[in-house]
Amino acid sequence: GIQVEQSPPDLILQEGANSTLRCNFSDSVNNLQWFHQNPWGQLINLFYIPSGTKQNGRLSATTVATERYSLLYISSSQTTDSGVYFCAPAPDKLIFGTGTRLQVFP
Amino acid sequence: EAQVTQNPRYLITVTGKKLTVTCSQNMNHEYMSWYRQDPGLGLRQIYYSMNVEVTDKGDVPEGYKVSRKEKRNFPLILESPSPNQTSLYFCASSEINRGPWRRAFFGQGTRLTVV
Repeated sequence: GIQVEQSPPDLILQEGANSTLRCNFSDSVNNLQWFHQNPWGQLINLFYIPSGTKQNGRLSATTVATERYSLLYISSSQTTDSGVYFCAPAPDKLIFGTGTRLQVFP
Repeated sequence: EAQVTQNPRYLITVTGKKLTVTCSQNMNHEYMSWYRQDPGLGLRQIYYSMNVEVTDKGDVPEGYKVSRKEKRNFPLILESPSPNQTSLYFCASSEINRGPWRRAFFGQGTRLTVV
């Protein structure tokens, strides 16, 4: 089955810093989604991004399907950005990566 | 507001006592699924449903049952829970007009402890 690798596994930032999270996947996919799991456990869909670039406020994502990777950019990070970020490429169903744990300190 | 609603949010039960976790969505999505999340193992799919009366096993179906009698509801049934089913459970739904991989919406999660 498809392998999904996310990096870095852990990230500690001070408020206001920018960061880039990476997701590599081993096979072609029909779509890719990014999720944020907040400290209360809720999974929030950030982006549905099979290819190209999308932006939503301070967050943006880019997927290069031909090269099998996706990037999530977080600019001007805030403490509310803390949590775990998952990418989930989908050949025929969502396959979740192991996540990047982000901690943002004031 | 578009949402997926799970109940209960938290549940502590004893081994062998049948339980049901409900899931309901208000987006008229055809596709619904259940996941469990465990430390070190990530999110794994338990069961999914492509439409009413159509269900199929995911990656870890043992010990679970589901039903899809109505489009909006997709309950997860544990007929005889065991401690290894202690986990965080999520229900999800999405459209499938182009396959079961449109944008997915997740419920709030159900934290189940089986003692």
